[in-house]
Amino acid sequence: GQNIDQPTEMTATEGAIVQINCTYQTSGFNGLFWYQQHAGEAPTFLSYNVLDGLEEKGRFSSFLSRSKGYSYLLLKELQMKDSASYLCAVRVFSGGYNKLIFGAGTRLAVHP
Amino acid sequence: KAGVTQTPRYLIKTRGQQVTLSCSPISGHRSVSWYQQTPGQGLQFLFEYFSETQRNKGNFPGRFSGRQFSNSRSEMNVSTLELGDSALYLCASSLSPLDRGGDTQYFGPGTRLTVL
Repeated sequence: GQNIDQPTEMTATEGAIVQINCTYQTSGFNGLFWYQQHAGEAPTFLSYNVLDGLEEKGRFSSFLSRSKGYSYLLLKELQMKDSASYLCAVRVFSGGYNKLIFGAGTRLAVHP
Repeated sequence: KAGVTQTPRYLIKTRGQQVTLSCSPISGHRSVSWYQQTPGQGLQFLFEYFSETQRNKGNFPGRFSGRQFSNSRSEMNVSTLELGDSALYLCASSLSPLDRGGDTQYFGPGTRLTVL
């Protein structure tokens, strides 16, 4: 089966660094995406990894290890507006099609 | 540049009915993907259309179907509605299809469907 695991909730302090982990057990792995979703709003694309290593985009970085089935999203210099759910999604090729499989999301609360 | 638009924003239907949702992508985007989001199941991928062809699909029954027009606007249809179809339906557009790299996907605000 296809499975993606993320912590359900995390809390952090404004100005700090937080790492949100995502582990996956899938066949036909074809890339990994991170999205941010504020309550009551649509998701926003954050990052994409297909090769091992770190992708950096300003305060956000995403890491992938395909051999370990593991990724993390690193948020630096946390701001209150970073309080949101963070979704990990794996693209898999199966049955002749590509599809995205989403984790349940990690709800991050940033406190002053 | 206008964002992704979805209509209607809210819809109430009864079991057994059918519904059609509409999505207009960002100008120039040829890929439109559809997702279902529920508190219990989270975000699930329905299918993707690119250049009027269904290019990728998830694991939903045949009651869920879609199409894309020559102007890249897309519609999603759900027939014989069930209570479990109550959800937020999101569409997202991007320049390239899902299987060609990691183009940024831009999501619309969603259509909230309630099935009574």
